[in-house]
Amino acid sequence: EPEVTQTPSHQVTQMGQEVILRCVPISNHLYFYWYRQILGQKVEFLVSFYNNEISEKSEIFDDQFSVERPDGSNFTLKIRSTKLEDSAMYFCASTGTGQPQHFGDGTRLSIL
Amino acid sequence: KNEVEQSPQNLTAQEGEFITINCSYSVGISALHWLQQHPGGGIVSLFMLSSGKKKHGRLIATINIQEKHSSLHITASHPRDSAVYICAAQKTSYDKVIFGPGTSLSVIP
Repeated sequence: EPEVTQTPSHQVTQMGQEVILRCVPISNHLYFYWYRQILGQKVEFLVSFYNNEISEKSEIFDDQFSVERPDGSNFTLKIRSTKLEDSAMYFCASTGTGQPQHFGDGTRLSIL
Repeated sequence: KNEVEQSPQNLTAQEGEFITINCSYSVGISALHWLQQHPGGGIVSLFMLSSGKKKHGRLIATINIQEKHSSLHITASHPRDSAVYICAAQKTSYDKVIFGPGTSLSVIP
């Protein structure tokens, strides 16, 4: 069964550094999402992306965050200058017609 | 106010027991999702419901649109069912998913 893949599985970064989280959605999906889950909390929506532009973003998704689909397969989340509070598990998801969202296994981001 | 609520927050069951997890939501939805999150963190979609009932193996999900309530049932529970079960609401097709707080299930042999 096709799946969403995320890399790396764990990223450790110094505060203030830029980080890029990568996702390869399922190949025929057109709608893409990033969510995050701070340890011990529920999963929160960050941003949705369709037709090469942001469809919706949450209050969390400020100017430090950006998303990009640089080629036909990858979907990336960039955090420009990381803060301690960015430490979380980040999930990518994608969906196609009439389907539930398929989630990747997540990237655990640790900011030191 | 949280748009998606779940109960109980934590649940411990003996192997073989019938388990029910409840979800209530306050928004209009096009779909209600049940997801499973294992200790490693990955999220797996179990069901997407817009009405009625769905069954997959030992898992059954039901939804009552009028009452804005859904339940996830596990029959003949097994230790491998131990995970966090999350209810999530989707207002329109292709919209973001609004997650509930999750129910942590532990099934003891």
